[in-house]
Amino acid sequence: SQTIHQWPATLVQPVGSPLSLECTVEGTSNPNLYWYRQAAGRGLQLLFYSVGIGQISSEVPQNLSASRPQDRQFILSSKKLLLSDSGFYLCAWSGGGGTAYEQYFGPGTRLTVT
Amino acid sequence: AQSVTQPDIHITVSEGASLELRCNYSYGATPYLFWYVQSPGQGLQLLLKYFSGDTLVQGIKGFEAEFKRSQSSFNLRKPSVHWSDAAEYFCAVGPNSNSGYALNFGKGTSLLVTP
Repeated sequence: SQTIHQWPATLVQPVGSPLSLECTVEGTSNPNLYWYRQAAGRGLQLLFYSVGIGQISSEVPQNLSASRPQDRQFILSSKKLLLSDSGFYLCAWSGGGGTAYEQYFGPGTRLTVT
Repeated sequence: AQSVTQPDIHITVSEGASLELRCNYSYGATPYLFWYVQSPGQGLQLLLKYFSGDTLVQGIKGFEAEFKRSQSSFNLRKPSVHWSDAAEYFCAVGPNSNSGYALNFGKGTSLLVTP
């Protein structure tokens, strides 16, 4: 069966510090991968998606970036965090084709920028 | 444009009572529709999905949803709510071929269950 991992689970970082959040998927190959940010009362905001290794598309201009160095690894980064980067970050994967559009989510990372 | 509206931000029901959470969507073609549940501090879990066929779909944890094309709705129901059902519920529509087949999510409905 497929599993998706995210770490760390929680993170407290000062403004201006770098960020690296990691997501890995097990039990599937060539998944579509997604990073979402969730703010209270605002639902899920799609930040980045990737349909293959090295293929990253950004949905929202911001000081965040994403990379996919391996098929089942997705990394969210920032060189300098802003207060507005605080939130709950969710990684998700989907089969990416046919009728396999449902997304499966990781447990999330709670980021607090101080 | 694709969008999902969940008209109710908060809903409170008594344990054992029936539940209906509303979802309306806008989508240019035949939609794929989903309901997810999120417990506090957790990721989202897929409850059920509709692709085609029977418009009444069954999901996990005793939930069901009905697709009504004429009303552009996909409401979630449960005949008898348990205290453990208290959570945030998200309706989603897709896929969005312009965003890697991502789903568009509603803003969620927070369910409170009272004794």
